[in-house]
Amino acid sequence: AQSVTQPDIHITVSEGASLELRCNYSYGATPYLFWYVQSPGQGLQLLLKYFSGDTLVQGIKGFEAEFKRSQSSFNLRKPSVHWSDAAEYFCAVGPPPSGTYKYIFGTGTRLKVLA
Amino acid sequence: KAGVTQTPRYLIKTRGQQVTLSCSPISGHRSVSWYQQTPGQGLQFLFEYFSETQRNKGNFPGRFSGRQFSNSRSEMNVSTLELGDSALYLCASSLEFGGEYQETQYFGPGTRLLVL
Repeated sequence: AQSVTQPDIHITVSEGASLELRCNYSYGATPYLFWYVQSPGQGLQLLLKYFSGDTLVQGIKGFEAEFKRSQSSFNLRKPSVHWSDAAEYFCAVGPPPSGTYKYIFGTGTRLKVLA
Repeated sequence: KAGVTQTPRYLIKTRGQQVTLSCSPISGHRSVSWYQQTPGQGLQFLFEYFSETQRNKGNFPGRFSGRQFSNSRSEMNVSTLELGDSALYLCASSLEFGGEYQETQYFGPGTRLLVL
């Protein structure tokens, strides 16, 4: 069955430190992969996406993610975290165009940033 | 281009009542999906509409229903509300025309429903 795992429920980093949020997926084919961010009380904002091609993708707000097929991972990274990055981050997998149209989300990682 | 809008933003209902939530997708988007988000269950897929037809449905009881209009606007309805229906309901839209824009969903701010 298709699934997305975000093993870290909470992560705390100091402002200016680097960040890596983990995401592993289980899927029968190469999926479409996404990272979203949700600030308290808000909807989800798309940070970046991977469909094909270069496995290192750049997103908004200085985030990047690397698709590693051999590890079934799509980890999100940022070299220097800002206090405004405190939020909840969701990894999601979407089907290819011919598949059932359905997104699967991970359970989220809540990021806390220390001043 | 305006983003996905949802109305109302906040709603308080009592058990047994019904509620209708509205979602206006990004102009040109024909696919609208609905999600329920709760602290315990996370983001769960409710259903997806494309060109006024429900294409996919999640594992929710029949009390949860939806529809889509010819202008792609969508509504979801929950009848006989239960305390457990308290959640943030998110709507997302996408183009569905193929290419790299296909399958990218853009989310609205959500409707927060509290059932007392």
